[in-house]
Amino acid sequence: AQSVTQLDSQVPVFEEAPVELRCNYSSSVSVYLFWYVQYPNQGLQLLLKYLSGSTLVKGINGFEAEFNKSQTSFHLRKPSVHISDTAEYFCAVSGPVLMDSSYKLIFGSGTRLLVRP
Amino acid sequence: DAGVIQSPRHEVTEMGQEVTLRCKPISGHDYLFWYRQTMMRGLELLIYFNNNVPIDDSGMPEDRFSAKMPNASFSTLKIQPSEPRDSAVYFCASSFDSGRNEQFFGPGTRLTVL
Repeated sequence: AQSVTQLDSQVPVFEEAPVELRCNYSSSVSVYLFWYVQYPNQGLQLLLKYLSGSTLVKGINGFEAEFNKSQTSFHLRKPSVHISDTAEYFCAVSGPVLMDSSYKLIFGSGTRLLVRP
Repeated sequence: DAGVIQSPRHEVTEMGQEVTLRCKPISGHDYLFWYRQTMMRGLELLIYFNNNVPIDDSGMPEDRFSAKMPNASFSTLKIQPSEPRDSAVYFCASSFDSGRNEQFFGPGTRLTVL
């Protein structure tokens, strides 16, 4: 079974500074990886996803993530954050690829990004 | 498209009462998911449907919980009887075709059981 670990429950950062949100997953098979963002009192919205191919994935709002198979990581980065990026960020995994269970998303516990002026 | 629609947005009820949460998925999507979000347990998948058929309900916590999808445009999650520990935000999400694709989430229903 897959699992996802987001070690940082909260990450405070100043506006225009770079940020990295860490995500590690556990799986013995190929999986799909996702980052979702949740703004206050809203549902989740997809930021980006890794399915296969290039390990560097670019998403919306200037975010990108890098898949590292050897370290089983999928860290999210942004070179310069804005106040509006303040939100909860969830890493998720689904799989094994091409099997029925790939439709199920397993979420990490979330990381709250707090951008300060 | 209006996105995934959930109703009500907020529900306050007393312990023992029946609660029904509603969801309208995005037109054309063939997968529908129900999630629960709490501070203690995070986001949990309760059940998901494919073409209106329940595929995996292993996340449904107890027999007090039931979900139905009578047609492609409507699903309900029912709790009977409700308990204070059911207080949470319940999300409905839909997607098209495969696990590779994005799940689109509704705004959620915040349930408070007194």
